[in-house]
This record gives sequence, C-alpha cells and structure tokens, in this order.
Amino acid sequence: DQQVKQNSPSLSVQEGRISILNCDYTNSMFDYFLWYKKYPAEGPTFLISISSIKDKNEDGRFTVFLNKSAKHLSLHIVPSQPGDSAVYFCAEVKAGGTSYGKLTFGQGTILTVHP
Amino acid sequence: EAGVVQSPRYKIIEKKQPVAFWCNPISGHNTLYWYRQNLGQGPELLIRYENEEAVDDSQLPKDRFSAERLKGVDSTLKIQPAELGDSAVYLCASSRNSPLHFGNGTRLTVT
Repeated sequence: DQQVKQNSPSLSVQEGRISILNCDYTNSMFDYFLWYKKYPAEGPTFLISISSIKDKNEDGRFTVFLNKSAKHLSLHIVPSQPGDSAVYFCAEVKAGGTSYGKLTFGQGTILTVHP
Repeated sequence: EAGVVQSPRYKIIEKKQPVAFWCNPISGHNTLYWYRQNLGQGPELLIRYENEEAVDDSQLPKDRFSAERLKGVDSTLKIQPAELGDSAVYLCASSRNSPLHFGNGTRLTVT
C-alpha cells in the first residue's frame, strides 16, 4: 500500500509562472517530509524539507506547504525556470527513527517548464 | 566535497548471472543506504548501514541479494543469480545527520 502518493505523473508550465507539485500521505506519524529533484541519468538531489511542527517552509523560489488535516503537502516554485524541468519526488521520514533515516518516496512528478 | 561515487554506471547481464555494484560514500558519512528504483517509481530502500552494521535490511531479498560494508566506508551490493525483474536503477546514498546525498546510480538490465 503506497503511503506517499503523487497523483500527477506530469506537469507542464510556462517559464515565469508558478509550478505546484502535490503529494498526499496516509501515515500521520512522521518527522519530516522532503522534496528531491532528479535530472535524467543523475541521482536525486535534496531540495527542501518541512518538519511535522510547521505548516510552511520557504527557501528562495521554493516553498513547501503542509496541511496535516488533509494529509497533503505541496511544493511551489515561483517563478519557474526551464532549468527546473526534472522529476520531483516527495519523501516521508517516519517518526521515531534516526533523523533522515528510512525515506518512503512517492512515484514522482515530471515537471516541464517551457521557455 | 566529492559526492557519492557509484560504479559501474551501466550493466547488462543475462538472467541467472551474478552482478555486483560498488559505492563510495561521502567522506565522514557514517550512514549508507542502497535503494532500488524501478521505472516510473520512486526509490525503495533495500538496506541501511550505520557504520559497518546493517541496521535495516527488512526489504532486502535475502535469497539472492547480499551487501557488505567492510570497515564502514565502501559498500558492495550483489545479486546472485539475477532475474529479469531485477532490472532497475540501483542507487547508493550516504548521510551524517543530514538529508541523504545520492550517487548517480547503476542502471542494471537483465536480459
């Protein structure tokens, strides 16, 4: 049973506009959610995280929102740039384990930003 | 800092053959992970090491997969014998009280 779901396999946006990537989860016992970005033929790279005690975290053009009542989080990229085109994974870190221990990943969303 | 280094980048083998992957983590990172990523899916954990000790291998198919991390640094992951369903990208990651840093992976194709 998939505990972290990214229901949109792909997203296409125009350069300069906002990209919104979504993730739903089932397990309420977690410490962090993280977003990773992956370019073709490369490993995933860490982008931004949010802890369970917060509802928003911002880093430059990237903002992650956490809605615990809806068990939903989203990543906003503003403004979107062609270099942001990649696969984005959300990942959950379960509560009680070592920080950043076992990550449970979603299936990923392919973002394409058109010039 | 140098990143996580994996080799080989690509490997094509026939089913029932053995295969091994190698990983050199970032210097000073005591935790090492092996993940497997199937096409169109997110990575899934196979095994996690704290130094040289495997602390989570619950998702490692132990009948054909084995891993070791001698001296708590480099690690190898082995499959013997390989099956068609083992075709995937095998990712190594390391961390030290930080988000995981991933290598570029080994793409395995079993024919």
